[in-house]
Amino acid sequence: AQSVTQLGSHVSVSEGALVLLRCNYSSSVPPYLFWYVQYPNQGLQLLLKYTSAATLVKGINGFEAEFKKSETSFHLTKPSAHMSDAAEYFCAVNTGTASKLTFGTGTRLQVTL
Amino acid sequence: GAVVSQHPSRVICKSGTSVKIECRSLDFQATTMFWYRQFPKQSLMLMATSNEGSKATYEQGVEKDKFLINHASLTLSTLTVTSAHPEDSSFYICSARKGTGGRQETQYFGPGTRLLVL
Repeated sequence: AQSVTQLGSHVSVSEGALVLLRCNYSSSVPPYLFWYVQYPNQGLQLLLKYTSAATLVKGINGFEAEFKKSETSFHLTKPSAHMSDAAEYFCAVNTGTASKLTFGTGTRLQVTL
Repeated sequence: GAVVSQHPSRVICKSGTSVKIECRSLDFQATTMFWYRQFPKQSLMLMATSNEGSKATYEQGVEKDKFLINHASLTLSTLTVTSAHPEDSSFYICSARKGTGGRQETQYFGPGTRLLVL
């Protein structure tokens, strides 16, 4: 079975500070991993995805994530937070069955002045 | 681009009525679409996988007779909540996949439909 754990349902950072959102996965097959962002009352937008190529994946809006097999992690980072980054972030793993995604519980990022 | 739209964005209905939600891929053909449900401050839960021209595959615990899914074309899937009750109130989100398969393929999400059943 596949699963995703996002540590920290709520993360607060100051504008300009480093953003670190944690994601650990469990998968019986080599995982394909995704990070999505959701703004209030909207659908999900893809930030980046890992598909077994480079372990460091760069996405949109300055975000990046590093796949670490030894730690079964795929943490999302951004060097300098912006107010517009405030949103809900979801990590997801492709289960390998009909390309279904299993989502983590989400992390709400708050950015303060 | 890969744009997915949903209509309506918000709907309020009386208990016992049926509500239809449309999901369209605007600039690509989607052989597979997915329907999710999201409760407030919670994650997305997959309800069903919709394949063009065939019956939808429902996740365990999802009533197929209550949540009717039709994927009649490569750009349109519909979710009908039949005999809606207040507990069906939720945020329904669809997604569409461009290709024919493969775990690396991205799902593109619609903006969601908020359903409130009174």
